[in-house]
Amino acid sequence: EIVLTQSPGTLSLSPGERATLSCRASQSVSSSYLAWYQQKPGQAPRLLIYGASSRATGIPDRFSGSGSGTDFTLTISRLEPEDFAVYYCQQYGSSLITFGGGTKVEI
Amino acid sequence: QLQLQESGPGLVKPSETLSLTCTVSGGSISSSSYYWGWIRQPPGKGLEWIGSIYYSGSTYYNPSLKSRVTISVDTSKNQFSLKLSSVTAADTAVYYCARISRYFDPLWAFDIWGQGTMVTVSS
Repeated sequence: EIVLTQSPGTLSLSPGERATLSCRASQSVSSSYLAWYQQKPGQAPRLLIYGASSRATGIPDRFSGSGSGTDFTLTISRLEPEDFAVYYCQQYGSSLITFGGGTKVEI
Repeated sequence: QLQLQESGPGLVKPSETLSLTCTVSGGSISSSSYYWGWIRQPPGKGLEWIGSIYYSGSTYYNPSLKSRVTISVDTSKNQFSLKLSSVTAADTAVYYCARISRYFDPLWAFDIWGQGTMVTVSS
């Protein structure tokens, strides 16, 4: 089973700043099968990025994903007030799915 | 557009079986392009994949829950269901159902989610 470790656990930033979130896998992950989600309190997660770097439908271009192998990054170029939330990475491999523990982006 | 809705008891006693259903509307569960999954989230914690099912009945389960989980599909009702046996307080969580694509982008990512349903395990 592939374990995903996200860091930092909490990121304290201000609107307008750049956020860089890390997702590290315990073994190599196919870039095609690495996704990122945003979750706000009381809401279901929302797909942001799939295939490590492709934005899902309707996702603003301030969100970008990169990485390969065991190291992946979600970048929010300029934080908007609505971007303060928890972010999760997720991978698929060998018919199994795992999520990272999440990074909270707070003001 | 496609929507998913979870339903089932909000309170389950310890040692009993948790049963939830996800109803798919605005599209067919029998599409060959998708799997359907269950994910849970204990209060204040992260997401945990429980398992996924194809319309044919083929299933994949989280190894840590496999001995207690059964996911089934009813194509005539456009529904899929989750059963989790021998529950304890550790199974208290919000349970989500979601769709995942096997053939097209976004490949193997959950692109449509239900709103989630809170299940508490308590006597």
